[in-house]
Amino acid sequence: DQQVKQNSPSLSVQEGRISILNCDYTNSMFDYFLWYKKYPAEGPTFLISISSIKDKNEDGRFTVFLNKSAKHLSLHIVPSQPGDSAVYFCAARPYGGSQGNLIFGKGTKLSVKP
Amino acid sequence: EAQVTQNPRYLITVTGKKLTVTCSQNMNHEYMSWYRQDPGLGLRQIYYSMNVEVTDKGDVPEGYKVSRKEKRNFPLILESPSPNQTSLYFCASSLGLHTEAFFGQGTRLTVV
Repeated sequence: DQQVKQNSPSLSVQEGRISILNCDYTNSMFDYFLWYKKYPAEGPTFLISISSIKDKNEDGRFTVFLNKSAKHLSLHIVPSQPGDSAVYFCAARPYGGSQGNLIFGKGTKLSVKP
Repeated sequence: EAQVTQNPRYLITVTGKKLTVTCSQNMNHEYMSWYRQDPGLGLRQIYYSMNVEVTDKGDVPEGYKVSRKEKRNFPLILESPSPNQTSLYFCASSLGLHTEAFFGQGTRLTVV
């Protein structure tokens, strides 16, 4: 059973507009969430994270929102740029879990069109 | 430069021939992991290590072994590779529990 779900395999957005990537989780014991970006032929790179004690974290153009009651988090990219085109993975860690227990979603491929 | 280095980047091998994929990090991180990425399945964890001589199974450990004799190195061993282990493999390291993981560039393995 998939604990971290990214239900949209792909998303296409116009340059300058907002990109919203969604992630749902089932385990209420998750207490730390991360977003990674992955370009082809490269390893995933860390983008932004949020602890379960917060509901929002912002870093430049990237903002992550966490809705614990809905078990849902989202990544907002504003404004979107062509260089943001990549696969985005949502990841979660259960409370008390080691670094080893980082659970990933299947990813959403974002395409930002000029 | 802080990095996680995997070798080789590409490998084609035959069924049953033992192989090792090396992983090394220069950030003095305690935590290291191996993942495989398959189409439609995302990233799945194979093994992880919280420190030297401390390793544990992830979600898909069957057919793999690891060792952590030194802090910087975490090799992935396939004793008898099979075609279903054809995949893209990533090694990762992180400083602590609630810090981000840094990933290597990946190893694309094909088992024929």
